[in-house]
Amino acid sequence: QITLEESGPTLVKPTQTLTLTCTFSGFSLSTTAMGVGWIRQPPGKALEWLALIYWDDDKRFSPTLESRLSITKDTSKNQVVLTMTNMDPVDTATYYCAHRGQYCYDATCSLFFDYWGQGTLVTVSS
Amino acid sequence: QSVLTQPPSVSGAPGQRVTISCTGSSSNLGAGYDVNWYRQLPGTAPKLLIYGNNNRPSGVPDRFSGSKSGTSASLAITGLQAEDEADYYCQSYDSSLSGWVFGGGTKVTVL
Repeated sequence: QITLEESGPTLVKPTQTLTLTCTFSGFSLSTTAMGVGWIRQPPGKALEWLALIYWDDDKRFSPTLESRLSITKDTSKNQVVLTMTNMDPVDTATYYCAHRGQYCYDATCSLFFDYWGQGTLVTVSS
Repeated sequence: QSVLTQPPSVSGAPGQRVTISCTGSSSNLGAGYDVNWYRQLPGTAPKLLIYGNNNRPSGVPDRFSGSKSGTSASLAITGLQAEDEADYYCQSYDSSLSGWVFGGGTKVTVL
């Protein structure tokens, strides 16, 4: 059974750096093909993918936010950490971490997020 | 402005069939990347509803079905129920962005 849980501050000030931790169970990020991603959702708005880290430490970032994001993993603790610099009120959102699933057939693979944490609301305000 | 385009809302009476469209481009759906669908009930995290265009995870009723053709995809809900009131999001991979993209979401209302 795969579970994920986000943790971190609920309130950050503008220009500060946000650090969020995703603690998971039911899989290992040292296993081939595993990945954990971060997705956010501003209040009343759509989902936005931010970043993803793979078992081999390959990292992918949203092009629009890449300069502000970093992602790391600690396989011994089953954790993934996302940091976002220079926070702004427009970054107020619920931040989710999720397990990246895949379904391969006919020499292609579908990539999706099959297990999600409950999310953590981060408010950016002075 | 989301990379994948969905109608903001659709509605239907209990028992009816509704469809939600998802329109992409040549760098995502049109490039052959599959579409996946999520359902989000108010105040909760999204839940995977359809993966790989038309596959249902264990536990998802067969009232939900997906399809994809070219740069478009759709989610169909048959036998609409009150519990289906939620926001629905399509998602795919985009080669020009080298990342995952979501639609703007569609709110389903059961009349």
